[in-house]
Amino acid sequence: ETGVTQTPRHLVMGMTNKKSLKCEQHLGHNAMYWYKQSAKKPLELMFVYNFKEQTENNSVPSRFSPECPNSSHLFLHLHTLQPEDSALYLCASSSQGGRGPYEQYFGPGTRLTVT
Amino acid sequence: KQEVTQIPAALSVPEGENLVLNCSFTDSAIYNLQWFRQDPGKGLTSLLLIQSSQREQTSGRLNASLDKSSGRSTLYIAASQPGDSATYLCAVTSRYNTNAGKSTFGDGTTLTVKP
Repeated sequence: ETGVTQTPRHLVMGMTNKKSLKCEQHLGHNAMYWYKQSAKKPLELMFVYNFKEQTENNSVPSRFSPECPNSSHLFLHLHTLQPEDSALYLCASSSQGGRGPYEQYFGPGTRLTVT
Repeated sequence: KQEVTQIPAALSVPEGENLVLNCSFTDSAIYNLQWFRQDPGKGLTSLLLIQSSQREQTSGRLNASLDKSSGRSTLYIAASQPGDSATYLCAVTSRYNTNAGKSTFGDGTTLTVKP
């Protein structure tokens, strides 16, 4: 498998459920990202991991909990979500170096619906 | 805080036309600017990336330019085809301070190419 993969592609969960989103990149990159895309809003950066270390938390509520066990895998653990959290969640990866981050590659996204 | 604006929000053209999409940003301290394509309900596909030291990049019928001093980029699409119909997103990755490494996205331009 190549590129950036995300599972599941669709998820419906109740407000009291706990679920996890998974992202895997096969590009040898060292940085991974979670983005949220809501209807009629620009893409919002949620978290950034560089060499497994979290380097960015863009004021995301604690009901979203990221985990990056290694440079190839990224998880987003979800619990007690709200209906307004329904959105397309996109994972991306890139290389990062002394000249800064390079081209970002995105996965297909997970369409999350909170009921 | 970096702000990215894309004009127009929507564009409809007949097949075969050449067209220009615009992206402007407020903070010129950037690592790079990236153009993406997004089909409905799907992830983002990278089209072109321009490093801050570059003026333009070309790929097939696409040409992207960058004028950092004026905070502008354009995406030129030659000989448009119905398959080009999608939303085009511009993303700027900032270089300094609290925005270092963060990508800010515009709202996108939704392009429809009519046969």
